[in-house]
This record gives sequence, structure tokens and C-alpha cells, in this order.
Amino acid sequence: GQQVMQIPQYQHVQEGEDFTTYCNSSTTLSNIQWYKQRPGGHPVFLIQLVKSGEVKKQKRLTFQFGEAKKNSSLHITATQTTDVGTYFCAGPETGANNLFFGTGTRLTVIP
Amino acid sequence: DSGVTQTPKHLITATGQRVTLRCSPRSGDLSVYWYQQSLDQGLQFLIQYYNGEERAKGNILERFSAQQFPDLHSELNLSSLELGDSALYFCASSVSGTGSIEQFFGPGTRLTVL
Repeated sequence: GQQVMQIPQYQHVQEGEDFTTYCNSSTTLSNIQWYKQRPGGHPVFLIQLVKSGEVKKQKRLTFQFGEAKKNSSLHITATQTTDVGTYFCAGPETGANNLFFGTGTRLTVIP
Repeated sequence: DSGVTQTPKHLITATGQRVTLRCSPRSGDLSVYWYQQSLDQGLQFLIQYYNGEERAKGNILERFSAQQFPDLHSELNLSSLELGDSALYFCASSVSGTGSIEQFFGPGTRLTVL
């Protein structure tokens, strides 16, 4: 079946260090979305990428969609304590109308 | 605040019991999705409704059922509860019923089965 894996599963960084999470799908995706879930909170939509090779930036966050549309990455420059949370990628399930969420990467930022 | 509401926030019940979780989508959203998130786990898609009709089904147990009413609110019914059903249950909504649009999540219902 369809799988969306994220690595690493956990990441601890010192405040100010950079962070990257990688998302790999077993199937080609028409688009990919990224969500952030703060501890004790609910997932919040960050961004959607649609085009092959697309790169989008949101302040210190850079999102990339792979050329083959099977992988994506989220890079955070100079992490802050407000970046703490779990980051999920998600793509449309093959032949269906729902989103298939990745396994998530939990980021801890040490002050 | 996403505009999606879920009640109750917390639910504590015993094994074998039945509970109903309620979700009201954002104004104007026709699609409702239900997810289960166990401790430190990812989001497992359960079921999707679009404008009152079931649109997609995920790993939803036969003991679980859902429906979407004419006013577009949705209910998730969990019966014959087991300890392993303890989890956070999220509802999300979106304008359309496709997988190509952002979803807005509610605050979740934390279910504890004792």
C-alpha cells in the first residue's frame, strides 16, 4: 500500500541551529502539503507544493518538492523555541480524495 | 482558532461502552474528515464525508461509524470500546472533497478508555 515516510522521526537541536526533515512517498503525488502540530495542539496547515521542483519560502522555513514528485523537504534556518512541534507532510491518497499523512518528525529545540 | 469545533474535549469511559464525538466544520466547508492519533503516533485517516455522503474510507474499524448531517456537522460513533481505542480524535474540514486542498483541524477529543 501507499506509504509516506519521514526522517528523522525525532530531532533535537540547539536554538539557532538549522533543521531539515525529509518526506518520501512510495507513489507520485499530485501535490504535497505540510502541517505543524505543536505539543498538545492540533495540526495546522503550513503550505502546499504542486509543481515538480517547486521551492517555497516562509520566513525561516524553506519547502521543496522533488523533481519526481515523490519526495519533499522542510528546512528551518536558525531554529527558535517557537519551532518546537511535530511536522507532518501529507499527499493525496492514490485514487482517493483524502490526504495520506506522513509519519511525522518531532522537533525539540534546546534553549 | 481554525473555525472547526469538536465536543467534548475530553471523554473518559469504560471498556465495552459506546461514545459519540461531534464535529462542526468551518462555515462553508462541505467536507469533514476524521483522524485518530494514538500517543506519539501519526495521524491515521478514518473516514471522510462530503456534503452528507461518505467519500473515502481509511483504516476505520467495524465498531466505528460516522455520519454527516444536513447541517454538515458530523458525528463519529465508537462502540464496544477497547483499551486500545484510547487516543486523540481529530476532525478536519475543507471546502471541497479532494485531496488537493488544505484541511482545517479542530482541537480534538481526547478519549480515555479504562
